[in-house]
Amino acid sequence: NAGVTQTPKFQVLKTGQSMTLQCAQDMNHEYMSWYRQDPGMGLRLIHYSVGAGITDQGEVPNGYNVSRSTTEDFPLRLLSAAPSQTSVYFCASSYSRAAYEAFFGQGTRLTVV
Amino acid sequence: AQKVTQAQTEISVVEKEDVTLDCVYETRDTTYYLFWYKQPPSGELVFLIRRNSFDEQNEISGRYSWNFQKSTSSFNFTITASQVVDSAVYFCALSGGSSNTGKLIFGQGTTLQVKP
Repeated sequence: NAGVTQTPKFQVLKTGQSMTLQCAQDMNHEYMSWYRQDPGMGLRLIHYSVGAGITDQGEVPNGYNVSRSTTEDFPLRLLSAAPSQTSVYFCASSYSRAAYEAFFGQGTRLTVV
Repeated sequence: AQKVTQAQTEISVVEKEDVTLDCVYETRDTTYYLFWYKQPPSGELVFLIRRNSFDEQNEISGRYSWNFQKSTSSFNFTITASQVVDSAVYFCALSGGSSNTGKLIFGQGTTLQVKP
């Protein structure tokens, strides 16, 4: 049972480049989300999804797009990378919306130069 | 609005000392859930505990214990007889709300350093 799988683990981008962070879970969880972790700020929600075909914005959505075509996958797209998007990104999934703990991927350390 | 505050940015203790990590939350909802996660130096997030708003019983798991007090909106975490392996960043988080979207609101995290 792989849990939540994120790829890549590390990435360096140049300003203006685009890329997609991949996230897949094999637990048949309805709820998936993306967070970014910055020093002194904890984890902040970027986008989330409560099921296939349904997505919504979190606290810091600007510069990011998501889609949820299947239950398993929830990719995060950076449209035009900026140095302010240098961060560690975590994908998470959970069985239900609030009652159960979230399972996190290993994280992606992204540097935008 | 929901908010979680972990006022202690960094704590340093010597091995075998007891240490308490503070967590204060704000929410207007009557149903909500509180969590603690551990982030060791390797970077992954490890779930430690979940508590719902209707269960104020304290919980103990080995050297770990949690004190949930609705009257003070606090959910504090105590490590007894700390060990070097406890060195990590610890996050308190809140979930719930009228829209019930499952969003987790995290505190800023407390970095715990346990010295041998």
